[in-house]
Amino acid sequence: AQSVTQPDARVTVSEGASLQLRCKYSYSGTPYLFWYVQYQRQGLQLLLKYYSGDPVVQGVNGFEAEFSKSDSSFHLRKASVHWSDSAVYFCAASIYNNNRIFFGDGTQLVVKP
Amino acid sequence: NSKVIQTPRYLVKGQGQKAKMRCIPEKGHPVVFWYQQNKNNEFKFLINFQNQEVLQQIDMTEKRFSAECPSNSPCSLEIQSSEAGDSALYLCASSLGNSGNTLYFGEGSRLIVV
Repeated sequence: AQSVTQPDARVTVSEGASLQLRCKYSYSGTPYLFWYVQYQRQGLQLLLKYYSGDPVVQGVNGFEAEFSKSDSSFHLRKASVHWSDSAVYFCAASIYNNNRIFFGDGTQLVVKP
Repeated sequence: NSKVIQTPRYLVKGQGQKAKMRCIPEKGHPVVFWYQQNKNNEFKFLINFQNQEVLQQIDMTEKRFSAECPSNSPCSLEIQSSEAGDSALYLCASSLGNSGNTLYFGEGSRLIVV
């Protein structure tokens, strides 16, 4: 079955520290992969997406993610977090010929001052 | 700022009442999705449309939920008889429709069923 798993429900980091949010997917073949952010339970905003090519993709606000086919992962990273990065982050995936996107359960990021 | 417009932002309904939410997709986007996000942040896909036609929907949608995307009018999602378990954030998203295209989300309509 197709699925996206975010193993960490909540991550707490200090401002200025580096960040990694984990995402694992379970699909046959290579899916299209996305990271979205949701502030204060509003709408989701796209951070970045991966289709093919360079496994490291750059996104907005200094975020990047690395695709690993061998590990079935698409982890999100940021070198130095800011307090305004506190939000819920969702990993998502879709497959070829299917418009539908499957979401992980989200990771709540708390940035301590 | 979101280019997908959802109204109302909040609605409070009693059990058994109808609840209707509207969505104007981003201009030029033929595909529209409705998702339900519960208090645990879990997403449940409800239905999607391409132009006015239903592409996919889940069983839940076929019972108390109805949705449409008429031409030249906002898309809508309606719950015929609200239940407490329907309390959630209802998110509308639109896309260009090709595989892998980004979904652009509205701010959501938060339904509280009392």
